[in-house]
Amino acid sequence: NAGVMQNPRHLVRRRGQEARLRCSPMKGHSHVYWYRQLPEEGLKFMVYLQKENIIDESGMPKERFSAEFPKEGPSILRIQQVVRGDSAAYFCASSPGGRGPSSYEQYFGPGTRLTVT
Amino acid sequence: DQQVKQNSPSLSVQEGRISILNCDYTNSMFDYFLWYKKYPAEGPTFLISISSIKDKNEDGRFTVFLNKSAKHLSLHIVPSQPGDSAVYFCAASAWSNQFYFGTGTSLTVIP
Repeated sequence: NAGVMQNPRHLVRRRGQEARLRCSPMKGHSHVYWYRQLPEEGLKFMVYLQKENIIDESGMPKERFSAEFPKEGPSILRIQQVVRGDSAAYFCASSPGGRGPSSYEQYFGPGTRLTVT
Repeated sequence: DQQVKQNSPSLSVQEGRISILNCDYTNSMFDYFLWYKKYPAEGPTFLISISSIKDKNEDGRFTVFLNKSAKHLSLHIVPSQPGDSAVYFCAASAWSNQFYFGTGTSLTVIP
């Protein structure tokens, strides 16, 4: 019974390179959320996706960041032309969606720690 | 714009005593509140939740209290155990679209 999987766990990129972070939700979950945690801060909501749809991306920086959740395969958070300020832990969470209390319960992956040098 | 606040960055409690972690929020539209526990180098783990129509929810040693008039919730852990040492995040949501997390409280339970 695999939980939420994220890879890579650690990613080092030089300034200007692209970073691709992957998230495979729990089996049966069709909703994915991405969060960023900067040092000494809490988790900041970035984007909420369902299969092939972006539901809410109000937490995403306007430039360089994009996310997708294709019909097949993992969700991808893509950061183009990374800068040092992008260094953070990026967490993905999945939920079953629907209505009722279960729609609120998110299961988190272990995170990807991005370091920009 | 921090809509969920945890004003205590850390808390130390003796084993066997009660741990009380506090959380305040500003948005009256929040309809669901959750507590997560996080160990270093791991993702947060769901602990307990409460709907805005309730004022208390209990699960074993963990109880969450919600005071809507004060826009305040708290997590009580009793008795506290050394394995409870972790960072605790409270989170709030409106219609499960966005989740707002606090900055976390690091709990240390002293044996």
